[in-house]
Amino acid sequence: EVVLTQSPGTLSLSPGERATLSCRASQSFSSTHLAWYQQKPGQAPRLLIFGTSNRAPGIPDRFSGSGSGTDFTLSISGLEPEDFAVYYCQQYDTSLTFGGGTKVEI
Amino acid sequence: QVPLVQSGAEVKKPGSSVKVSCKASGVSFSSFSVTWVRQAPGQGLEWVGNIIPVFRSTNYAQRFQGRVTITADESTSTAYLELTSLTSEDTAVYYCARPCRTSTLDCWGQGTLVSVSS
Repeated sequence: EVVLTQSPGTLSLSPGERATLSCRASQSFSSTHLAWYQQKPGQAPRLLIFGTSNRAPGIPDRFSGSGSGTDFTLSISGLEPEDFAVYYCQQYDTSLTFGGGTKVEI
Repeated sequence: QVPLVQSGAEVKKPGSSVKVSCKASGVSFSSFSVTWVRQAPGQGLEWVGNIIPVFRSTNYAQRFQGRVTITADESTSTAYLELTSLTSEDTAVYYCARPCRTSTLDCWGQGTLVSVSS
Protein backbone atom coordinates (compact mmCIF):
# COMPACT_ATOMS: atom_id res chain seq x y z
CA GLU A 1 0.00 0.00 0.00
CA VAL A 2 1.24 3.47 -0.88
CA VAL A 3 1.23 5.58 2.29
CA LEU A 4 0.91 9.33 1.79
CA THR A 5 2.23 11.66 4.50
CA GLN A 6 1.11 15.29 4.39
CA SER A 7 2.90 18.15 6.08
CA PRO A 8 2.44 20.33 7.92
CA GLY A 9 -0.61 19.14 9.79
CA THR A 10 -1.78 22.71 10.20
CA LEU A 11 -0.75 25.84 8.33
CA SER A 12 -1.58 29.19 9.88
CA LEU A 13 -1.59 31.99 7.32
CA SER A 14 -3.29 35.25 6.47
CA PRO A 15 -5.35 36.14 3.40
CA GLY A 16 -3.09 37.14 0.54
CA GLU A 17 -0.22 34.92 1.65
CA ARG A 18 1.09 31.91 -0.24
CA ALA A 19 0.44 28.38 1.03
CA THR A 20 2.74 25.46 0.25
CA LEU A 21 1.48 21.99 1.17
CA SER A 22 3.58 18.84 0.94
CA CYS A 23 2.62 15.24 0.20
CA ARG A 24 5.27 12.54 0.47
CA ALA A 25 4.73 8.95 -0.67
CA SER A 26 6.21 5.78 0.85
CA GLN A 27 7.14 4.60 -2.65
CA SER A 28 7.44 6.15 -6.08
CA PHE A 29 4.49 6.14 -8.45
CA SER A 30 3.39 7.77 -11.69
CA SER A 31 2.71 11.49 -11.32
CA THR A 32 -0.25 10.93 -13.64
CA HIS A 33 -2.09 9.50 -10.63
CA LEU A 34 -1.75 12.16 -7.94
CA ALA A 35 -4.66 14.42 -7.01
CA TRP A 36 -5.47 17.13 -4.46
CA TYR A 37 -8.83 17.83 -2.81
CA GLN A 38 -10.23 20.64 -0.71
CA GLN A 39 -12.80 19.94 1.97
CA LYS A 40 -14.80 22.40 4.04
CA PRO A 41 -16.81 21.45 7.13
CA GLY A 42 -19.99 19.59 6.33
CA GLN A 43 -19.16 19.32 2.65
CA ALA A 44 -17.93 16.58 0.34
CA PRO A 45 -14.36 16.87 -0.90
CA ARG A 46 -13.82 18.93 -4.03
CA LEU A 47 -11.24 17.96 -6.63
CA LEU A 48 -8.69 20.71 -7.22
CA ILE A 49 -5.81 19.08 -9.08
CA PHE A 50 -5.42 15.78 -10.94
CA GLY A 51 -2.41 14.27 -12.68
CA THR A 52 -0.17 16.26 -10.28
CA SER A 53 -0.55 19.59 -12.07
CA ASN A 54 -3.85 19.74 -13.97
CA ARG A 55 -6.53 21.98 -12.51
CA ALA A 56 -10.01 20.50 -12.42
CA PRO A 57 -12.74 22.42 -14.28
CA GLY A 58 -13.67 25.65 -12.54
CA ILE A 59 -10.65 25.74 -10.22
CA PRO A 60 -8.97 29.16 -10.06
CA ASP A 61 -5.41 29.48 -11.31
CA ARG A 62 -4.10 30.47 -7.89
CA PHE A 63 -4.09 26.71 -7.22
CA SER A 64 -1.15 24.83 -8.72
CA GLY A 65 0.41 21.42 -8.26
CA SER A 66 3.86 20.03 -8.92
CA GLY A 67 6.13 17.12 -8.10
CA SER A 68 7.18 13.65 -9.16
CA GLY A 69 8.30 10.34 -7.78
CA THR A 70 7.57 10.51 -4.05
CA ASP A 71 7.33 14.28 -3.43
CA PHE A 72 4.37 16.40 -4.45
CA THR A 73 3.32 19.95 -3.64
CA LEU A 74 0.12 21.97 -3.76
CA SER A 75 0.61 25.73 -3.85
CA ILE A 76 -2.02 28.37 -3.32
CA SER A 77 -0.85 31.83 -4.34
CA GLY A 78 -2.67 34.70 -2.66
CA LEU A 79 -5.00 32.97 -0.19
CA GLU A 80 -8.63 34.04 -0.44
CA PRO A 81 -10.97 33.78 2.58
CA GLU A 82 -12.74 30.80 0.97
CA ASP A 83 -9.44 28.86 0.71
CA PHE A 84 -9.23 28.20 4.44
CA ALA A 85 -10.08 24.51 4.57
CA VAL A 86 -8.54 21.03 4.82
CA TYR A 87 -6.57 19.71 1.86
CA TYR A 88 -5.93 16.07 1.03
CA CYS A 89 -3.61 14.46 -1.47
CA GLN A 90 -4.62 11.17 -3.07
CA GLN A 91 -2.84 8.60 -5.20
CA TYR A 92 -4.76 6.43 -7.63
CA ASP A 93 -1.82 4.54 -9.13
CA THR A 94 -1.93 1.44 -6.92
CA SER A 95 -5.42 1.03 -5.54
CA LEU A 96 -6.29 4.33 -3.85
CA THR A 97 -5.03 6.06 -0.72
CA PHE A 98 -5.37 9.51 0.84
CA GLY A 99 -2.96 11.53 2.88
CA GLY A 100 -3.91 12.55 6.39
CA GLY A 101 -4.72 16.12 5.41
CA THR A 102 -3.37 19.63 5.99
CA LYS A 103 -5.60 22.22 7.62
CA VAL A 104 -5.05 25.75 6.31
CA GLU A 105 -6.32 28.15 8.95
CA ILE A 106 -6.32 31.87 9.51
CA GLN B 1 -28.83 18.21 -12.05
CA VAL B 2 -26.79 16.53 -9.32
CA PRO B 3 -24.69 13.69 -10.74
CA LEU B 4 -24.69 11.50 -7.60
CA VAL B 5 -27.45 11.31 -4.99
CA GLN B 6 -27.07 9.09 -1.92
CA SER B 7 -29.60 7.54 0.42
CA GLY B 8 -30.38 9.04 3.78
CA ALA B 9 -28.78 8.76 7.20
CA GLU B 10 -28.85 5.43 9.02
CA VAL B 11 -28.72 4.48 12.68
CA LYS B 12 -27.61 0.91 13.33
CA LYS B 13 -26.94 -1.41 16.24
CA PRO B 14 -23.54 -3.04 16.70
CA GLY B 15 -23.34 -6.33 14.82
CA SER B 16 -25.91 -5.31 12.23
CA SER B 17 -25.46 -4.39 8.55
CA VAL B 18 -26.07 -1.28 6.51
CA LYS B 19 -26.64 -0.75 2.80
CA VAL B 20 -26.10 2.70 1.29
CA SER B 21 -27.13 3.61 -2.24
CA CYS B 22 -25.71 6.08 -4.75
CA LYS B 23 -27.79 6.97 -7.80
CA ALA B 24 -26.14 8.54 -10.83
CA SER B 25 -27.98 10.87 -13.17
CA GLY B 26 -26.92 12.85 -16.21
CA VAL B 27 -23.68 10.91 -16.51
CA SER B 28 -22.74 7.66 -18.17
CA PHE B 29 -22.89 5.03 -15.45
CA SER B 30 -21.67 1.67 -16.59
CA SER B 31 -18.18 2.33 -17.89
CA PHE B 32 -16.72 4.37 -15.05
CA SER B 33 -15.60 3.25 -11.63
CA VAL B 34 -17.73 4.21 -8.64
CA THR B 35 -15.64 4.63 -5.51
CA TRP B 36 -16.73 4.62 -1.88
CA VAL B 37 -14.85 6.71 0.66
CA ARG B 38 -15.65 7.16 4.33
CA GLN B 39 -14.82 9.81 6.90
CA ALA B 40 -15.11 9.19 10.62
CA PRO B 41 -16.00 12.21 12.79
CA GLY B 42 -13.09 14.64 12.86
CA GLN B 43 -10.91 12.29 10.83
CA GLY B 44 -9.53 12.11 7.30
CA LEU B 45 -10.70 10.35 4.16
CA GLU B 46 -10.47 6.58 3.88
CA TRP B 47 -10.94 4.53 0.73
CA VAL B 48 -13.38 1.65 1.17
CA GLY B 49 -13.55 0.17 -2.33
CA ASN B 50 -14.81 0.60 -5.87
CA ILE B 51 -16.74 -1.07 -8.67
CA ILE B 52 -16.75 -0.82 -12.45
CA PRO B 53 -20.42 -1.55 -13.19
CA VAL B 54 -20.07 -2.86 -16.74
CA PHE B 55 -17.56 -5.50 -15.61
CA ARG B 56 -19.00 -5.93 -12.12
CA SER B 57 -15.37 -5.92 -11.00
CA THR B 58 -14.65 -4.77 -7.48
CA ASN B 59 -11.67 -3.81 -5.35
CA TYR B 60 -11.77 -3.44 -1.59
CA ALA B 61 -9.43 -1.95 0.95
CA GLN B 62 -7.69 -4.72 2.88
CA ARG B 63 -9.13 -3.64 6.23
CA PHE B 64 -12.69 -4.13 4.98
CA GLN B 65 -12.17 -7.45 3.22
CA GLY B 66 -14.85 -9.93 4.22
CA ARG B 67 -17.18 -7.23 5.60
CA VAL B 68 -17.86 -5.09 2.56
CA THR B 69 -19.74 -5.70 -0.67
CA ILE B 70 -20.09 -3.14 -3.44
CA THR B 71 -22.64 -3.80 -6.16
CA ALA B 72 -24.19 -1.90 -9.04
CA ASP B 73 -27.52 -2.01 -10.85
CA GLU B 74 -27.02 -0.73 -14.38
CA SER B 75 -30.79 -0.60 -15.02
CA THR B 76 -31.20 2.11 -12.37
CA SER B 77 -27.67 3.59 -12.52
CA THR B 78 -27.30 2.92 -8.82
CA ALA B 79 -24.31 1.66 -6.86
CA TYR B 80 -24.57 0.13 -3.41
CA LEU B 81 -22.24 -0.26 -0.45
CA GLU B 82 -23.06 -2.91 2.11
CA LEU B 83 -21.06 -3.18 5.32
CA THR B 84 -21.67 -5.98 7.81
CA SER B 85 -20.72 -6.69 11.43
CA LEU B 86 -20.88 -3.01 12.28
CA THR B 87 -19.05 -1.59 15.28
CA SER B 88 -18.91 1.93 16.70
CA GLU B 89 -15.72 2.43 14.66
CA ASP B 90 -17.82 2.27 11.50
CA THR B 91 -19.63 5.46 12.48
CA ALA B 92 -18.76 7.79 9.63
CA VAL B 93 -20.00 9.71 6.64
CA TYR B 94 -19.87 7.47 3.59
CA TYR B 95 -19.37 9.13 0.22
CA CYS B 96 -19.67 7.74 -3.27
CA ALA B 97 -17.59 9.41 -5.97
CA ARG B 98 -16.62 8.89 -9.60
CA PRO B 99 -14.94 10.57 -12.56
CA CYS B 100 -17.20 12.95 -14.46
CA ARG B 101 -14.92 15.28 -16.44
CA THR B 102 -11.48 14.21 -15.26
CA SER B 103 -9.58 10.98 -14.66
CA THR B 104 -10.37 10.83 -10.96
CA LEU B 105 -13.02 11.70 -8.37
CA ASP B 106 -14.52 14.99 -9.48
CA CYS B 107 -18.15 14.05 -8.83
CA TRP B 108 -19.20 13.29 -5.26
CA GLY B 109 -22.42 12.36 -3.57
CA GLN B 110 -23.65 14.43 -0.67
CA GLY B 111 -22.57 11.80 1.86
CA THR B 112 -24.55 9.43 4.07
CA LEU B 113 -24.07 9.45 7.83
CA VAL B 114 -24.03 5.97 9.32
CA SER B 115 -24.19 5.97 13.11
CA VAL B 116 -23.54 2.75 15.02
CA SER B 117 -24.64 2.79 18.61
CA SER B 118 -26.25 0.47 21.09
